[in-house]
Amino acid sequence: AQSVAQPEDQVNVAEGNPLTVKCTYSVSGNPYLFWYVQYPNRGLQFLLKYITGDNLVKGSYGFEAEFNKSQTSFHLKKPSALVSDSALYFCAVRETPGNNRKLIWGLGTSLAVNP
Amino acid sequence: DAGVIQSPRHEVTEMGQEVTLRCKPISGHNSLFWYRQTMMRGLELLIYFNNNVPIDDSGMPEDRFSAKMPNASFSTLKIQPSEPRDSAVYFCASSTGTGGSYEQYFGPGTRLTVT
Repeated sequence: AQSVAQPEDQVNVAEGNPLTVKCTYSVSGNPYLFWYVQYPNRGLQFLLKYITGDNLVKGSYGFEAEFNKSQTSFHLKKPSALVSDSALYFCAVRETPGNNRKLIWGLGTSLAVNP
Repeated sequence: DAGVIQSPRHEVTEMGQEVTLRCKPISGHNSLFWYRQTMMRGLELLIYFNNNVPIDDSGMPEDRFSAKMPNASFSTLKIQPSEPRDSAVYFCASSTGTGGSYEQYFGPGTRLTVT
C-alpha cells in the first residue's frame, strides 16, 4: 500500500540550530514528494517539492529537503532554525499510477523552536 | 492572484441544520480538493474534482455529505443534516496538475462547529 510516514510527532530545537523533520514514503514508481507547513489557524502552505533531478531541493523560507531513493526518505532541513518556524509540517507523496492528482499525507510533525 | 477563497471562515450551527461551505479555486487550476482536518483523524481527503467532474469521493463520510462543482470557479460542500461529530476545519485546495505541478494550494479553511 502507498503511504507516508512521519516518525516524529514533535521535534524540539533551539533557535539557531539546524533542524530536520523526517519523512519516509512507500509508492510504486517514481515518487513526487512535497512538504507543507501549517501555522496555527491557517491553511497548509506549500514549501517545496521533488519530482526529478537534483536530490537536494530548495524551497521557501530557507527550507530544503533531501531525496534519498535507497532509503525512501525525503527529510526536511534548515541550517538555522527560527522561532517563527514553529508550526506543523506535513510530508506528502503523489498517489500513483497515472495522472492521479491525489496526495497521500503524513500525519504531521509539530516543530517547536525554542528561543 | 487571490489564492483559494473559502467562505464562511467560521460556521456555528445546531445539530440537524444544513451547512454549505463554499470554495473558489485559483484561476486556471483544473483540480479541486475538499479536506477535513481534526485532531483525532488528521487531514482527510473527502473528494476531488478534475475539470469539474468528481473523480474520487471515497473519503466522503456518508450520505449526509455531498459536493458539487457546477463550473471551474466554484464548488460547494454540503452537510445535511449536520451532527456534532462533523465539527472540524474544512479546507479546499486546488492544483493545475500540468507539467508535473501536482502541488496543491490551500484556502484558509472553514471552522465548523456543530452544537
